[in-house]
Amino acid sequence: GAVVSQHPSWVICKSGTSVKIECRSLDFQATTMFWYRQFPKQSLMLMATSNEGSKATYEQGVEKDKFLINHASLTLSTLTVTSAHPEDSSFYICSARDPLGDEQFFGPGTRLTVL
Amino acid sequence: SQQGEEDPQALSIQEGENATMNCSYKTSINNLQWYRQNSGRGLVHLILIRSNEREKHSGRLRVTLDTSKKSSSLLITASRAADTASYFCATDRADKLIFGTGTRLQVFP
Repeated sequence: GAVVSQHPSWVICKSGTSVKIECRSLDFQATTMFWYRQFPKQSLMLMATSNEGSKATYEQGVEKDKFLINHASLTLSTLTVTSAHPEDSSFYICSARDPLGDEQFFGPGTRLTVL
Repeated sequence: SQQGEEDPQALSIQEGENATMNCSYKTSINNLQWYRQNSGRGLVHLILIRSNEREKHSGRLRVTLDTSKKSSSLLITASRAADTASYFCATDRADKLIFGTGTRLQVFP
C-alpha cells in the first residue's frame, strides 16, 4: 500500500509555543488529507479535512485559528498547533486518501507533549 | 456525536479462542473499514467492506455488514497473543472516515 509519513514522530514543547507537524504522501499525490487527534485510551477524532490549494474544512468544535492547516502541495500538509497548552497534548495522526480507491493511508502519528 | 459505538469496550481471551467485536453506526455509509492499533502506534488497515457487501474474509478475519441494522462485526479466529491491540471500525461518509469508540483486545498466551 501507499506510504504516508509524519514528522516529527514526537515533540515536547513549552506552553505558549507553536508546533508544526508535517504529513507527506511519499508515493502518490493526495488532493485531500485528514488530521485526527487521539487522547489516551480514546478513539481518533477527525479534526479537519485538508484540501490542496484551498482552505481546510474544520469539524465542529475545532478552533481553526488554533490548529492551522496548510496543504500547499499534492504531497504535503502541515498542522500547526499555535500557542500550545498542556490540554493540547495528544497523539496527532494524518491520513491521505488513495486517489484511485476508497482506502485511506495513515501516517505513524506524532505525539505532542506540552509542558 | 457522529461517532460509532463499538462493543465490547474491552475483551480478554485466551490464545486459540475467537474474538468478536461489534460496531454500530448512525447514518448511511459508502463503506465500513476496520483498523488495528497497537498501543501508542499508528493504524493498520485490516479490511474494507462496501455497503453492498454482506460478508468479507481476509485470512483469520471475517467481517459482516448489516446496513438495515447499521451494524458490523469483526471476527478474529484462532487468536494469537500478537493480536493484542485496539480495534476500530470506521465509516466512510462523504469522503470522511468517522471512527468508532474502539475495542481493546487482550489475548493471553
